[in-house]
Amino acid sequence: NAGVTQTPKFQVLKTGQSMTLQCAQDMNHNSMYWYRQDPGMGLRLIYYSASEGTTDKGEVPNGYNVSRLNKREFSLRLESAAPSQTSVYFCASRVPPSGTSRPESRNQRDEQFFGPGTRLTVL
Amino acid sequence: AQSVTQPDIHITVSEGASLELRCNYSYGATPYLFWYVQSPGQGLQLLLKYFSGDTLVQGIKGFEAEFKRSQSSFNLRKPSVHWSDAAEYFCAVGDAWGGFKTIFGAGTRLFVKA
Repeated sequence: NAGVTQTPKFQVLKTGQSMTLQCAQDMNHNSMYWYRQDPGMGLRLIYYSASEGTTDKGEVPNGYNVSRLNKREFSLRLESAAPSQTSVYFCASRVPPSGTSRPESRNQRDEQFFGPGTRLTVL
Repeated sequence: AQSVTQPDIHITVSEGASLELRCNYSYGATPYLFWYVQSPGQGLQLLLKYFSGDTLVQGIKGFEAEFKRSQSSFNLRKPSVHWSDAAEYFCAVGDAWGGFKTIFGAGTRLFVKA
């Protein structure tokens, strides 16, 4: 059980280049999230997917697109990278608060599990 | 709209001293409240959470937090800090509806001096 995995761990881009950050979880969670973390600003939600087949904007979606490929995978794409997108990106997944019958799932209700992060620099 | 405020950007305490990290939230209903810890270069790990019931919740690593509805606060405490507690701490408020979004505070960085 690897939890939440992210690739790559580090990436340097030039302004205008595109790239996709990959995220996968093996915990059978319905909800997945992409955050960016900047000094003094905590984590800000970029996009989220409440369930397979749905995606919605978070606080800071401009310049990003997402794809919920299947229940396990949720990718974040930068079509034309800008220096303002230099940040650390975290993917997370979450157990939904309802519809789970296993006691350990109820205990974990609403907890988000985070990946190790991708450090992106845009020059 | 939901919001979370952590008034202290950084705090320094001596090893063995007590710790209290402050968190204030704004939320229209009974909130789901969390404290996460992030060690350097790592992702976030859940320390504890409050949904309902007893307003004093116990977490991992000897941490506890108290929910005070009248003050809209959820402060994190530890009676005796260890050097390994040096990290960044995030308070968060979440909902159980829609996309189950969670809003994070800006974080408080804890420094521990010998």
